[in-house]
Amino acid sequence: GAVVSQHPSWVICKSGTSVKIECRSLDFQATTMFWYRQFPKQSLMLMATSNEGSKATYEQGVEKDKFLINHASLTLSTLTVTSAHPEDSSFYICSANPGPGVPQHFGDGTRLSIL
Amino acid sequence: GQQLNQSPQSMFIQEGEDVSMNCTSSSIFNTWLWYKQDPGEGPVLLIALYKAGELTSNGRLTAQFGITRKDSFLNISASIPSDVGIYFCAGRPRLNLTLMDSNYQLIWGAGTKLIIKP
Repeated sequence: GAVVSQHPSWVICKSGTSVKIECRSLDFQATTMFWYRQFPKQSLMLMATSNEGSKATYEQGVEKDKFLINHASLTLSTLTVTSAHPEDSSFYICSANPGPGVPQHFGDGTRLSIL
Repeated sequence: GQQLNQSPQSMFIQEGEDVSMNCTSSSIFNTWLWYKQDPGEGPVLLIALYKAGELTSNGRLTAQFGITRKDSFLNISASIPSDVGIYFCAGRPRLNLTLMDSNYQLIWGAGTKLIIKP
């Protein structure tokens, strides 16, 4: 149980394109999901906390207009990287808590490469 | 942001050897988690610890929640090739409880890269 699905797993696109990444909880409802960014050989860096039915909470230094988060249902959160540029290339991972006090379960990540 | 002190940064060991890694924090934590990440994938939860002094095993893996609540270790016994990967500790610091307490953010270690020599 507690499966989190992330799609797509790999994206290559031109600079200036907007890219949408989906994160779904397959067998549980998640009022909160988390979006992370990970650079090579580094740890996970929390970008924002996605709250169902309300605005996301962004970490300091993360541009909310650049990284749009929508959490329209209890099983789906989306991250849209708007007008992506090469410096946005990274590994993006989402996670969700299956329940109170239960550890976060992670999606398999999305490798984003901007040419 | 805040980060846990995880060591060692990397380990080169022979197959069959035991492995030990740890994480420390300057503040008290309520939860310690250990994850493993394979290349190109998301982290997978190995062990979760919720109580000071707790010692929990998952197969060849054993982890403990330090008595001071400021540290945790992970041991892997008799390592095998599939143990290769990056191991992360993560924790939840003790904060004032709120209604949103069930959806907490994690503080992460920098990771320990495990390499097994054939």
